[in-house]
Amino acid sequence: GESVGLHLPTLSVQEGDNSIINCAYSNSASDYFIWYKQESGKGPQFIIDIRSNMDKRQGQRVTVLLNKTVKHLSLQIAATQPGDSAVYFCAENGGSNYKLTFGKGTLLTVNP
Amino acid sequence: EADIYQTPRYLVIGTGKKITLECSQTMGHDKMYWYQQDPGMELHLIHYSYGVNSTEKGDLSSESTVSRIRTEHFPLTLESARPSHTSQYLCATTQGYGYTFGSGTRLTVV
Repeated sequence: GESVGLHLPTLSVQEGDNSIINCAYSNSASDYFIWYKQESGKGPQFIIDIRSNMDKRQGQRVTVLLNKTVKHLSLQIAATQPGDSAVYFCAENGGSNYKLTFGKGTLLTVNP
Repeated sequence: EADIYQTPRYLVIGTGKKITLECSQTMGHDKMYWYQQDPGMELHLIHYSYGVNSTEKGDLSSESTVSRIRTEHFPLTLESARPSHTSQYLCATTQGYGYTFGSGTRLTVV
């Protein structure tokens, strides 16, 4: 069936380095994608989103890239900080505004 | 400052007990969701509601039930808790596109 998945389950980086977290999706009807950050013991928090009519969107220290040709999404975090340590999830809407499908998370660990 | 509230944050309960997990939101959103999440794993949709008196089952089969009598309130009930129900339960709401999540209820059934 349709699914959203992440390539790497864990990622360890040094403080100050840039981080890249990848996500593959398979539902061609998806036209909206979101990245969430989930810290231990908390609910997921919205980081950044992108619609399918865009291929790049930037926020504060974060950039999301969308490649519709290969159905690939990535989250780039610049100058990664210890506070960025968390599990990151991508989600896609399957063409519906109201139901999101989440992929497996990637655990990002930032070493001081 | 949270606009969506879940209680309790943690619950340890014996097998066979009936429990209700509470979720309330102050944003006036019509759409609310319950997800089940094992530690470090993906979120699985178990119930959702698009408005008062509207409830639907999600993608993951669940023995829980929900109700939506008021816009701001979306409680989840387990009639008879089992150890297999041990998990984290996350409530979310949206008015379109991205969700806002609560902090979750971590349930342990012993």
